[in-house]
Amino acid sequence: KAGVTQTPRYLIKTRGQQVTLSCSPISGHRSVSWYQQTPGQGLQFLFEYFSETQRNKGNFPGRFSGRQFSNSRSEMNVSTLELGDSALYLCASSSGTQGANVLTFGAGSRLTVL
Amino acid sequence: GESVGLHLPTLSVQEGDNSIINCAYSNSASDYFIWYKQESGKGPQFIIDIRSNMDKRQGQRVTVLLNKTVKHLSLQIAATQPGDSAVYFCAENMRPGAGSYQLTFGKGTKLSVIP
Repeated sequence: KAGVTQTPRYLIKTRGQQVTLSCSPISGHRSVSWYQQTPGQGLQFLFEYFSETQRNKGNFPGRFSGRQFSNSRSEMNVSTLELGDSALYLCASSSGTQGANVLTFGAGSRLTVL
Repeated sequence: GESVGLHLPTLSVQEGDNSIINCAYSNSASDYFIWYKQESGKGPQFIIDIRSNMDKRQGQRVTVLLNKTVKHLSLQIAATQPGDSAVYFCAENMRPGAGSYQLTFGKGTKLSVIP
């Protein structure tokens, strides 16, 4: 069973640009969550999507957005990039329904903003 | 505030010894707790979880203890091996809804195993 796949793994952008990151969840998983990991702030929740709807949202500015497609694949977008957006962006998937299910993470997309 | 913290940022143990990693949480409404292991260049990897209606849960070489009275979580690793060297995170789920995860992570503890 394939794990959570994130693309691209590494990317470099400049301030003011925008970026789109992609996540393919584990087959059958309908929930996709995004987290930002930085040395200073650690792992922080961005948002969660379930069946194409945003179900939960963390405390990030509106420059951070996401969406989920009918096949459960998800993208997140960061507009007007700032230096502080440099981070490892992690995607995680789960079944999204009540019961024993584990949140499984991908390897992440490392974004560097210059 | 809503936060999960760790008592020890770094931990060095001798191979074969047992390791204990501690975590304090502040939200009494959290219903689910997870320990993740993160190796360099990889995403967090699930180790073990525990629900708030339990005090203890055991896995293969790992045990998680939950003390709701003092809001404390610990991860015990038996017979620590070099492959256990990584950063360990505890996380709490803030109960956003059935089947939904909104995890708050601790800052992490780096475990170094001395051969």
